[in-house]
Amino acid sequence: DSGVTQTPKHLITATGQRVTLRCSPRSGDLSVYWYQQSLDQGLQFLIQYYNGEERAKGNILERFSAQQFPDLHSELNLSSLELGDSALYFCASSGTSYEQFFGPGTRLTVL
Amino acid sequence: GEDVEQSLFLSVREGDSSVINCTYTDSSSTYLYWYKQEPGAGLQLLTYIFSNMDMKQDQRLTVLLNKKDKHLSLRIADTQTGDSAIYFCAEALTGFQKLVFGTGTRLLVSP
Repeated sequence: DSGVTQTPKHLITATGQRVTLRCSPRSGDLSVYWYQQSLDQGLQFLIQYYNGEERAKGNILERFSAQQFPDLHSELNLSSLELGDSALYFCASSGTSYEQFFGPGTRLTVL
Repeated sequence: GEDVEQSLFLSVREGDSSVINCTYTDSSSTYLYWYKQEPGAGLQLLTYIFSNMDMKQDQRLTVLLNKKDKHLSLRIADTQTGDSAIYFCAEALTGFQKLVFGTGTRLLVSP
């Protein structure tokens, strides 16, 4: 158990819908990262937050947004969903070291 | 640019050593990581190495880094059936903590 929690574990929705994925980092970790894992793209970095502020952005679509709240949990919002958004979405957290600890992931299926 | 490559598949017998290889292109990589992903599970951090080190050993795991050739390897001694999983190498670049992942190597350990 990495100490990073993600909810829900599974999410099934329809095209055009909007969903919110939630992540709680390890106790004391200020950084939260979101990654997407799909069969065709592999594991891709989406976005990083540090203590509530956006720190780095990767291959994140404009339909996707994220935020980190004062209690340090983070949410990834995916809107206008397309079939190709079906993937595993991972959250990771890190503290003062360069180790990133991953949560169990949310499997999103868009029908 | 950022590009991390791994061979797709490795098959070994229980008790043998496994060596999983990875090449990366960005010379500004600061830390290099190995993660393990079992079916339906998240990414488990196995070990990491700082770019000014050549080798790191942690129980059955040995990481070798050849910075000149941008080559990283993970050796698993006395491989067990429980080691069957997908292994990802990843690099973190100077100034960023986002990870760039390889394609993953599926390790199959047969009894």
